[in-house]
Amino acid sequence: DTEVTQTPKHLVMGMTNKKSLKCEQHMGHRAMYWYKQKAKKPPELMFVYSYEKLSINESVPSRFSPECPNSSLLNLHLHALQPEDSALYLCASSQDDRGSYEQYFGPGTRLTVT
Amino acid sequence: AQSVSQHNHHVILSEAASLELGCNYSYGGTVNLFWYVQYPGQHLQLLLKYFSGDPLVKGIKGFEAEFIKSKFSFNLRKPSVQWSDTAEYFCAVATPSGGSYIPTFGRGTSLIVHP
Repeated sequence: DTEVTQTPKHLVMGMTNKKSLKCEQHMGHRAMYWYKQKAKKPPELMFVYSYEKLSINESVPSRFSPECPNSSLLNLHLHALQPEDSALYLCASSQDDRGSYEQYFGPGTRLTVT
Repeated sequence: AQSVSQHNHHVILSEAASLELGCNYSYGGTVNLFWYVQYPGQHLQLLLKYFSGDPLVKGIKGFEAEFIKSKFSFNLRKPSVQWSDTAEYFCAVATPSGGSYIPTFGRGTSLIVHP
């Protein structure tokens, strides 16, 4: 199984809502990533988890809060988002975060903030 | 900060034409290099990767890429494209940061192949 799954596929939320994005992989990968991708732009790295510990936070605003409850699961908690946060949020995993291994990407969650 | 440049933003070819997509990066140390592809309606997937050894690497679907260290380049090539190669192509570079590697993506190249 080389699949990374993400739920939900689409999410519309107001600026005062709290919601969560979920990502799951069962490949035994020990690194998991959150990216943000705007239309016609490359994926921008937000967070990296390595062995369930946050190893990289690319200066992401605190309204985005990642969580890695176990080695297969990665969540992104959203609170008080702004309309400019509307984007495709991609999750990826790799065997580890040492850079030698390719990333496997999920299909993304299309987020719209109203 | 690390940057990755893809010079061709939109490429339109006819089937059987040859393809070369440029990728340059700015990091001066050891890097790990990737090309990912995103077919219409699908998620990003790996085409090929380079870590060390032979600078000419072969990937899936007849793609290859050449790492030229002196030029900080990792260009993607295919001798004869097919209609099914229509997709978005991203070059990515992983550079060390502390104990981890940070992946940085280029802005992508949109390839359209006419039958």
